[in-house]
Amino acid sequence: NAGVTQTPKFQVLKTGQSMTLQCAQDMNHEYMSWYRQDPGMGLRLIHYSVGAGITDQGEVPNGYNVSRSTTEDFPLRLLSAAPSQTSVYFCATCGRTQETQYFGPGTRLLVL
Amino acid sequence: SQQGEEDPQALSIQEGENATMNCSYKTSINNLQWYRQNSGRGLVHLILIRSNEREKHSGRLRVTLDTSKKSSSLLITASRAADTASYFCATDYRTSGSRLTFGEGTQLTVNP
Repeated sequence: NAGVTQTPKFQVLKTGQSMTLQCAQDMNHEYMSWYRQDPGMGLRLIHYSVGAGITDQGEVPNGYNVSRSTTEDFPLRLLSAAPSQTSVYFCATCGRTQETQYFGPGTRLLVL
Repeated sequence: SQQGEEDPQALSIQEGENATMNCSYKTSINNLQWYRQNSGRGLVHLILIRSNEREKHSGRLRVTLDTSKKSSSLLITASRAADTASYFCATDYRTSGSRLTFGEGTQLTVNP
């Protein structure tokens, strides 16, 4: 099993460009979430989903959109990238107990 | 904010010594978790302690939880160079569904 996969690993964008960060999991987990990690800081929750068709906002949702059409995929969209969105983005899933989270390897995003 | 705070921010020790990291939080929690992050990688779950537990062990890891003081500690015994990483505490304050709030982490360096 691949676990949680994220693509791309690294991306450079210009201000105003749009892109989608992909997250996929093969663990059949219902709960998925997106975090951002800035230098020297912990993770901050952007959006999360408790199942297909259900999404909700986290701590820092502005500038990001998500959708959950399948259990396996949870893409994160930046509609108009800003330099403040330069960060490392992590996707995570949570199993039936909804306790322990499993993280992907991260996407490093640089917005110029 | 319900974010946990880790102390110290950085810790440097010699191989074989014990490492202790502390975490404080602000509100009642369902459980508290510790994660490890190697440089440039995603987070890996280490151990979870529930609000009705006071101490938990896993290999060389020992976690304590004091809900009256709203604090937790992670002890790594007989440290190894491979333990060098950032360690994060995360509090889960929801009774259903996991929404973790992460602290800023402790950077542990174990010198060979």
